[in-house]
Amino acid sequence: DIQMTQSPSLLSASVGDRVTLNCKASQNIYKNLAWYQQKLGEAPKLLIYNANSLQTGIPSRFSGSGSGTDFTLTISSLQPEDVATYFCQQYYSGNTFGAGTKLELK
Amino acid sequence: EVQLVESGGGLVQPGRSLKLSCAASGFTFSNYYMAWVRQAPKKGLEWVATISTSGSRTYYPDSVKGRFTISRDNAKSSLYLQMNSLKSEDTATYYCARLDTVAYWYFDFWGPGTMVTVSS
Repeated sequence: DIQMTQSPSLLSASVGDRVTLNCKASQNIYKNLAWYQQKLGEAPKLLIYNANSLQTGIPSRFSGSGSGTDFTLTISSLQPEDVATYFCQQYYSGNTFGAGTKLELK
Repeated sequence: EVQLVESGGGLVQPGRSLKLSCAASGFTFSNYYMAWVRQAPKKGLEWVATISTSGSRTYYPDSVKGRFTISRDNAKSSLYLQMNSLKSEDTATYYCARLDTVAYWYFDFWGPGTMVTVSS
């Protein structure tokens, strides 16, 4: 099974900061990676698919990059409404999610 | 507007069964693969099952294979999850989710979830 490791598990940042979240796969998954945002008490929301494609309706401050085993989700200018937990998911073989990065305001 | 609404969750004893439902609207249900994903309290996400458009093909991880059955009724735009031989570790919020494409198995819409608690 493919394991997904996210880092850091907790990230504190200020409004306006550029924020980077990491996701590492245990084997090559090419670009078969998605990112989700989950706010407290809500269902996950798709942000990025195929590693770098922005889902319709998602603000352009969100971007994804990477391929193979190392991936990044970047928020170019953190907004208060971005406080959430972010999960990565590989769909190259089955479906596996990372444990998440909790993003909070400093 | 795409909507997915789960129902059927609740408290159930270990070893018993429960059937979850998901009502879909706002899109042509029969054109999409569908899935169930769960989240244990304060934990991460775990894929539970996927079903093809016609229902002829189903996919499960080893953790639920043989105990859970995913099915669908395209005439009713509904998705189901039959859960048998439930264990305490099946306690979670269960989400119904739509797969964007057949080629790539990411989930573009999710329902609000239904909570299942397995406890005596």
